[in-house]
Amino acid sequence: GAGVSQSPRYKVAKRGQDVALRCDPISGHVSLFWYQQALGQGPEFLTYFQNEAQLDKSGLPSDRFFAERPEGSVSTLKIQRTQQEDSAVYLCASSNRHPRVETQYFGPGTRLLVL
Amino acid sequence: AQSVTQLGSHVSVSEGALVLLRCNYSSSVPPYLFWYVQYPNQGLQLLLKYTTGATLVKGINGFEAEFKKSETSFHLTKPSAHMSDAAEYFCAVTLYTDKLIFGTGTRLQVFP
Repeated sequence: GAGVSQSPRYKVAKRGQDVALRCDPISGHVSLFWYQQALGQGPEFLTYFQNEAQLDKSGLPSDRFFAERPEGSVSTLKIQRTQQEDSAVYLCASSNRHPRVETQYFGPGTRLLVL
Repeated sequence: AQSVTQLGSHVSVSEGALVLLRCNYSSSVPPYLFWYVQYPNQGLQLLLKYTTGATLVKGINGFEAEFKKSETSFHLTKPSAHMSDAAEYFCAVTLYTDKLIFGTGTRLQVFP
């Protein structure tokens, strides 16, 4: 079946611009995660949804970052007033039921470059 | 707090040689441990995971890892490297929360 998809794959934004990154999880997966991967680093957790409920947003670096999953499927990560330090690859992952024991399946990521 | 340390940001081996990628974790209780592989411009793919039970875990593409509680290690091995194994490898841990904590990664190069 189809895997996790993300769009756009690449995004160039001017500093101060707002961006929205979309994630389509695997159909039926209840858990959805966002990670940020800076150049040369491992992914870092941003936020986690179980269905439409955002259960953990402890990794969001500032109040400029906002994520939603209103119908428990597609999720959007929004970054307001982008800064150069926001340049990174944003990865989305989904898993079924209990994420600690279930595999998280990752999308290809959105590469964001802020100029 | 949980953390993961991957020793060696770059590892180079000849085709056919043993692959050994090191991972040590810090956790007050046994965590769940994972190895993911990332090819250029692609997302992460799970190689293998340890949850409970047998400490030697076999994964895809001939990789395996052994959970050693006494050494707080979860090293990844493959007996014979292939050119197609060249990629970035990430060790990750999770405990009571659902988020994965990743190491900084090891880039594997395979020479003919």
